[in-house]
Amino acid sequence: RKEVEQDPGPFNVPEGATVAFNCTYSNSASQSFFWYRQDCRKEPKLLMSVYSSGNEDGRFTAQLNRASQYISLLIRDSKLSDSATYLCVVNEGSGYSTLTFGKGTMLLVSP
Amino acid sequence: DADVTQTPRNRITKTGKRIMLECSQTKGHDRMYWYRQDPGLGLQLIYYSFDVKDINKGEISDGYSVSRQAQAKFSLSLESAIPNQTALYFCATSYQGEQFFGPGTRLTVL
Repeated sequence: RKEVEQDPGPFNVPEGATVAFNCTYSNSASQSFFWYRQDCRKEPKLLMSVYSSGNEDGRFTAQLNRASQYISLLIRDSKLSDSATYLCVVNEGSGYSTLTFGKGTMLLVSP
Repeated sequence: DADVTQTPRNRITKTGKRIMLECSQTKGHDRMYWYRQDPGLGLQLIYYSFDVKDINKGEISDGYSVSRQAQAKFSLSLESAIPNQTALYFCATSYQGEQFFGPGTRLTVL
C-alpha cells in the first residue's frame, strides 16, 4: 500500500514563529505533490502545489526532495489564523488520477 | 454559492438502513470522487469517476455503491448501513491535479 507519512503533531507555536512540517512518501514514481489545509470539521482546501524547484507563496514555502522522498512546508511569521491541520498529498501517477492523503499535521498558533 | 454541494449535511440512521448521499457540482469538471474521513485515519478514497460512463473502486469500496447520473451529479449509497460506516464523507471534483471538496456529510449509524 502506498504510504504518505506525517507527524500528527500538534505543533504548538506562538504567533510570529516559524514552523516546518515534513512529509515522506513511499512511492518513488509519484508525480505531483500538494499541501492542503483543513480547518476543524471543514473540507480540505488546496494550500499550494509543490514543484521540483520549490515554490513560495507569501509566508509559505514548499520544497520537494525526490532523492529522499520527502516534502516540506515552511510557515514564517505564524498567524492565529494558520491554526489548522495540514495535509500532505501525493499523486501516484501521471494524468492526475487519484491522490493519496497523509493523515495530517495539526498546527496550533497561540497569542 | 458553493461549487460542490452535498446533501444531507448531517444524517443519523440505524443499522441495516439504506442511505444515499448526494453530491452536485457546478464547476463543469469530469472527475468526481467520494472519500470518507475518520479521526486519526485521514481521507480514504471510496469510489471515483472520470466521466459519466466511468466508475472505479477506491481503496475502501466494500459496503458502498455509487451512481454517476450526470456530469454534475455523483451519489454514494450505503445499501445496509453498519456502525463502522460512521464517518465524515466528502465529495470532490478535480481539475489539473487540484481537488475541490464539498462541505462534507456527517453520517452516524446507530
